[in-house]
Amino acid sequence: EAGVAQSPRYKIIEKRQSVAFWCNPISGHATLYWYQQILGQGPKLLIQFQNNGVVDDSQLPKDRFSAERLKGVDSTLKIQPAKLEDSAVYLCASSLYSGNYEQYFGPGTRLTVT
Amino acid sequence: QKEVEQNSGPLSVPEGAIASLNCTYSDRGSQSFFWYRQYSGKSPELIMSIYSNGDKEDGRFTAQLNKASQYVSLLIRDSQPSDSATYLCAVHGAAGNKLTFGGGTRVLVKP
Repeated sequence: EAGVAQSPRYKIIEKRQSVAFWCNPISGHATLYWYQQILGQGPKLLIQFQNNGVVDDSQLPKDRFSAERLKGVDSTLKIQPAKLEDSAVYLCASSLYSGNYEQYFGPGTRLTVT
Repeated sequence: QKEVEQNSGPLSVPEGAIASLNCTYSDRGSQSFFWYRQYSGKSPELIMSIYSNGDKEDGRFTAQLNKASQYVSLLIRDSQPSDSATYLCAVHGAAGNKLTFGGGTRVLVKP
């Protein structure tokens, strides 16, 4: 069974530029999560999708971050414009359904904002 | 007070010894608890889940849950150098209907 796929693996941009990350969850997993992990900290949930609907985006900085999950499968997370403090690893995870919290993570995208 | 707290470590243990990791949480209504292992530069990997009070064993790992005292622990028996990693405690129910992670405990197993 293929795991969660993410791309790109690394990205370096200048502040005020935009960037987008892509995620493909495990086949059959209805729930998809985007996390931000700053060095030395645990992952912080940015947004949770159930199929193509948003379940929780309370910690998503909506003035600069956006996410979508069209057709309930792949998802894209965008940052525009980026700030220095956005430098982090962006992790995508999926689980079978919203009430199942056994989440499986993709390899992550390491973002550096200069 | 943080919602999920862990000692950041590093926890240094000799090879073959037992590593004991602790995690406390603030939401008394929390129902599901997880341990993830994260190697440096890699993503978190689920190693244990526990839902009821008591012990749950899986190979060299034992998770212990005490809801009355609001703590969950992880024991790693016969520690190996390959167990050197950061261990993340995650709790469902803390701060709403989502998984909240602690900051992680770094474990170093010395040969």
